Amino acid sequence: QVTLKESGPALVKPTQTLTLTCTFSGFSLTTSGMCVSWIRQPPGKALEWLARIDWDDDKFYSTSLKTRLTISKDTSKNQVVLTMTNMGPVDTATYYCARTRKAATGDYAFDVWGQGTLVTVSS
Amino acid sequence: SYELTQPPSVSVSPGQTASITCSGDKLGDKYACWYHHKPGQSPVLVIHEDTKRPSGIPERFSGSNSGNTATLTISGTQAMDEGDYYCQAWDSTTAVFGGGTKLTVL
Repeated sequence: QVTLKESGPALVKPTQTLTLTCTFSGFSLTTSGMCVSWIRQPPGKALEWLARIDWDDDKFYSTSLKTRLTISKDTSKNQVVLTMTNMGPVDTATYYCARTRKAATGDYAFDVWGQGTLVTVSS
Repeated sequence: SYELTQPPSVSVSPGQTASITCSGDKLGDKYACWYHHKPGQSPVLVIHEDTKRPSGIPERFSGSNSGNTATLTISGTQAMDEGDYYCQAWDSTTAVFGGGTKLTVL
């Protein structure tokens, strides 16, 4: 059974750096085609993709947020970490991590999601 | 940047067919995925690679993608199908989500 769970602070002050950890089980990030992505949803708004890290350590970021994001993995711990710098009120959202699988066609899909964690940015 | 456009809302009667569209420039040249998101729950993948259903997704869910439009079709819609539906595609190495469509079964 594949599971993912996000952890991190529920409250962050403006200008601070957010660090979120995704702890997963049921798959390995050393397996070819396996990836983990971070996706967020501000209250009442749409889903927004943030970043993806692949089994071969390739990393990809949202164009609009790439200067603020860093994604990394610790395969021994089955964890993926996302950091986002210079947090502001507009970054208040539920943050999800999701397993991302590469299909034989070359496409990627978010096939299993974590429960999400709400992060509020406020002083 | 690449954009995907969905209607904000779709209504359907129980047992009828619901269609949700997703429009983007030459979207048919990419693969489209669809996610179902109920309040308080995590999104669930219902269609990937335009037409494929993951294990456990009912056969009433189907997808198509051609030209500039991808479509999610739910046949024999049930009350449990209510919620938000998001289309998603990759623009090179960047994932893009549509704005979401709220499906109401009434």
